[in-house]
Amino acid sequence: ETGVTQSPTHLIKTRGQQVTLRCSSQSGHNTVSWYQQALGQGPQFIFQYYREEENGRGNFPPRFSGLQFPNYSSELNVNALELDDSALYLCASSSNSGEETQYFGPGTRLLVL
Amino acid sequence: GEDVEQSLFLSVREGDSSVINCTYTDSSSTYLYWYKQEPGAGLQLLTYIFSNMDMKQDQRLTVLLNKKDKHLSLRIADTQTGDSAIYFCAGSFDSNYQLIWGAGTKLIIKP
Repeated sequence: ETGVTQSPTHLIKTRGQQVTLRCSSQSGHNTVSWYQQALGQGPQFIFQYYREEENGRGNFPPRFSGLQFPNYSSELNVNALELDDSALYLCASSSNSGEETQYFGPGTRLLVL
Repeated sequence: GEDVEQSLFLSVREGDSSVINCTYTDSSSTYLYWYKQEPGAGLQLLTYIFSNMDMKQDQRLTVLLNKKDKHLSLRIADTQTGDSAIYFCAGSFDSNYQLIWGAGTKLIIKP
């Protein structure tokens, strides 16, 4: 069974640029959630995708957008990057079958200069 | 909105038990989770408890849930140096299954 994978592991961008982060869900999982974790803080929920549709969204602006593909992998896109977007971005997959446990990937560390 | 709170640090001696505490404000939780995060790494699921349970034990880990006081704890027996990490409490409080997280408790092991 393959776990959750994310790419890239690290990324450096400058203000105003756009970034795409990728996530492959664990085998058998159809739901992907994205979180932002700033240094020294707990993760903050960005949004969740279930069967290619957005299934819930946290308090993040529209420049944070996402996609889920038929194989349940997912992308997080951030436009017009700001310095405060520097964080660890975590992807989690789950089966949405009533048991909600989310399994996390190793994260992508984004630094915006 | 929902809030989850944890103390920021806990220091214990190697071999002692560690007890990490968490409180939450929303009584409509379904599942409550404990995750472990080592430096530079992602989040590792340790254990979880369904909201209709009071206790769950899994090897060295014991989770206690007091629904009346909205208090969750994680006890790690015989704490080892490999247990050094940040421990996050999280709960699912609505039907979208999004998790609400505490700020994490850094567990420091003294020799």
